[in-house]
This record gives sequence, structure tokens and C-alpha cells, in this order.
Amino acid sequence: AQSVTQLDSHVSVSEGTPVLLRCNYSSSYSPSLFWYVQHPNKGLQLLLKYTSAATLVKGINGFEAEFKKSETSFHLTKPSAHMSDAAEYFCVVSRSYGGSQGNLIFGKGTKLSVKP
Amino acid sequence: DAGITQSPRYKITETGRQVTLMCHQTWSHSYMFWYRQDLGHGLRLIYYSAAADITDKGEVPDGYVVSRSKTENFPLTLESATRSQTSVYFCASSESYQLHEQYFGPGTRLTVT
Repeated sequence: AQSVTQLDSHVSVSEGTPVLLRCNYSSSYSPSLFWYVQHPNKGLQLLLKYTSAATLVKGINGFEAEFKKSETSFHLTKPSAHMSDAAEYFCVVSRSYGGSQGNLIFGKGTKLSVKP
Repeated sequence: DAGITQSPRYKITETGRQVTLMCHQTWSHSYMFWYRQDLGHGLRLIYYSAAADITDKGEVPDGYVVSRSKTENFPLTLESATRSQTSVYFCASSESYQLHEQYFGPGTRLTVT
């Protein structure tokens, strides 16, 4: 069975400092992994995706994530936080099958706060 | 490129009334999905559709009805709204099902009084 765990429910950083949002996954097959961002009162926007090509994935707005199979991790990073990065971030793994819960498993989210 | 749109964005209705939330996508994606997002529950799948005239139940389908007569539209109807259906509803679409990302609409905030 597949699962996804976001290790921090809330991360606070200062503007200009690095961002690290942690995600571990469990999967019995080679998964597809995604990071989504949700700004207040907005829909979910796809930041980046991993689909078994390069293990370092670059996304929008300067974010990137590294797929580490040995650690079953897919952490999201950004070298320098901007005030506009304040949002909730969801790590998502794709199932190999569907069913009533659908084909995507969402983490519980990490709320990123950016201090001036 | 409009992408995926939802209407209305905000809706207040009374208990017992029928409400329809609209979703429209311009990508001709085969798959479409309806989720609700609630504090403490995250995103939960209500219904999904693999193509026009093909729909299937998700995790929390009770009290909801969907239809998909055209590929681009996937309306969600609350037949008799209840307070427990107060939520933010998101529509999403996807090219495929296995291992593919979904693209989300902006959401509809529904309040049932």
C-alpha cells in the first residue's frame, strides 16, 4: 500500500533563508510524486512532479525536490524564501490503482510561514 | 487558456435546498474529480469520472450526485443540502489516471445555514 507523511505541520522561516519541507512516502512500486501549493483561498497548484526520470526535480518559483529511494523521501527545498511563498504545501503520491479514494494520496499539508 | 474553472466561487444556501456546483475544463482531459476540503480531514474524493457518461463514487459520495454529459463539464449537485456539507469544494482534471498529476480549479466555498 502507498502512503505519504509530511513530517512538519508548520514551518516558519525568515525571508531570504532556505526552505525545507519534508516528505516521506511508502510505496511498493516506483511511484509518481508531486508537490502542490495552496495559497489562502485558492486552489491547489502543481509545483513539481517526479515520474522516474531525473531524481532532482525543478519546479516553479525556484522550488526543487530530490527523490531519494533509499530514504523514501521527497523533500521540497528553496534556497531563499520570499514572502509570497507563505502557503500550505502538500506532498502527494500516486497510487498504482484507483478505487474509492482515487489515484492520489495527499499528505496532511505543511503550512509555511515567512517572516520579514 | 482558461484551464479549469468553477462556479460559483461562493455560495450560501439553506438546509434542504438543492445546489449545483459547476466545473468546466478546456484541456479535453478524460478524467475529472470532485473533492471537498475540510479542516482535520484534508482533501477527500467525492466522485470522479473517467469519460463522458462514466462516473464512479469516491470516498464520501453520500448526499451528492454527479453527471458528465460532455467531456468538459462535470457538475456536482447536492440534492438536499445539510450543514455537514459546508465545505470548500474543488474540481480537478487529469489526462490519465495512473501516475498522473491532477489540475485543480479555484474552489467553491459553500456554506449551508
